[in-house]
Amino acid sequence: GAGVSQSPSNKVTEKGKDVELRCDPISGHTALYWYRQSLGQGLEFLIYFQGNSAPDKSGLPSDRFSAERTGGSVSTLTIQRTQQEDSAVYLCASSTSVGGAGAGELFFGEGSRLTVL
Amino acid sequence: KQEVTQIPAALSVPEGENLVLNCSFTDSAIYNLQWFRQDPGKGLTSLLLIQSSQREQTSGRLNASLDKSSGRSTLYIAASQPGDSATYLCAVTNDYKLSFGAGTTVTVRA
Repeated sequence: GAGVSQSPSNKVTEKGKDVELRCDPISGHTALYWYRQSLGQGLEFLIYFQGNSAPDKSGLPSDRFSAERTGGSVSTLTIQRTQQEDSAVYLCASSTSVGGAGAGELFFGEGSRLTVL
Repeated sequence: KQEVTQIPAALSVPEGENLVLNCSFTDSAIYNLQWFRQDPGKGLTSLLLIQSSQREQTSGRLNASLDKSSGRSTLYIAASQPGDSATYLCAVTNDYKLSFGAGTTVTVRA
């Protein structure tokens, strides 16, 4: 696609429910990132993928959070048993390369705004 | 751990004035630095990417400089316009991870 696509753009859920957030990166981008932006806060790194592998999951806030990427393309971030503190905008970004000299420019989607009631 | 600081946190200027936004980082072993713009309720739009071997990048009215040894970058926006009103974030890459500053919120008054 022309850019990074995220869905849903808005999600309102009740505490305790599971949610899935989807990210479709720019075609050909091997690196994919998930960030979280809470109201009035900076961007918090969650996880990144190189291809289908996630070398660093240390940013995931708890074991209720998981993410996968299939076919080196679409990624899903799943939050189980949502809590009110999970309310935030979840941003996905992709890049042609990860780290190293000449690391690629990062392109972001519009985000998925999650509200947990 | 990389710490990124942006000063000032907010800036209000009259239209036509030049903008100067500052970014500092604690770990100079970066691969690149990227400036982004974020409009309310939107994602981040990449403005400029400076590789660690570069001193500056320019795009239209935007110019960003990088002094890696002192851990600083400056974004200059010439002849500001009301459409430049947004939050500007800088991010540095160490290995694979981008670390973001909290941003500078800019208001350009018509």
